[in-house]
Amino acid sequence: QKEVEQDPGPLSVPEGAIVSLNCTYSNSAFQYFMWYRQYSRKGPELLMYTYSSGNKEDGRFTAQVDKSSKYISLFIRDSQPSDSATYLCATQPGNNRLAFGKGNQVVVIP
Amino acid sequence: GAGVSQSPSNKVTEKGKDVELRCDPISGHTALYWYRQSLGQGLEFLIYFQGNSAPDKSGLPSDRFSAERTGGSVSTLTIQRTQQEDSAVYLCASSLRGAQSSYEQYFGPGTRLTVT
Repeated sequence: QKEVEQDPGPLSVPEGAIVSLNCTYSNSAFQYFMWYRQYSRKGPELLMYTYSSGNKEDGRFTAQVDKSSKYISLFIRDSQPSDSATYLCATQPGNNRLAFGKGNQVVVIP
Repeated sequence: GAGVSQSPSNKVTEKGKDVELRCDPISGHTALYWYRQSLGQGLEFLIYFQGNSAPDKSGLPSDRFSAERTGGSVSTLTIQRTQQEDSAVYLCASSLRGAQSSYEQYFGPGTRLTVT
């Protein structure tokens, strides 16, 4: 079983819409959950992280972790064309590495 | 300040040749990671260096892959006898410390390797 699973389908939304992305993870012992954003031909950059469970909000972005269902989510409100990128969920299975989902390519259409 | 840099940005090589990929981490970052990103597989961990400790090589896919980190800074990933399935983007990342802050990793732009 993969440590974190993310359905890698692309997503196109009109500008101003809410983008909803989600992943599942395998081990209830995982504590850190991250969302990385990757623009084309660039390396991933950390967008948000959550420790344990609950919500975290940063501007138009909200990250949620539901430990009872091992489910992590990212919401982007009032989406902008500049949000067009690939979004990767990640967790920290061990001290030394991150495990990533396969990513969702998001396109925000002006 | 300067981010993580990688060279070359693109590399095309013939099957069977050896390649070396270079990573220059952010100054002061003691932890360094190599990942591989390919279509269908996503981002896969390869190897991790922390200070002067023995590296964690648990993600290396075969003994054709090796990496070293000299002087606790620059790292080189070497792939011997390249195969077509090695074609991918190789990403390097660094973080300020190891376990305590490894959730926040700073990635370079990657080296796009194509094996023909």
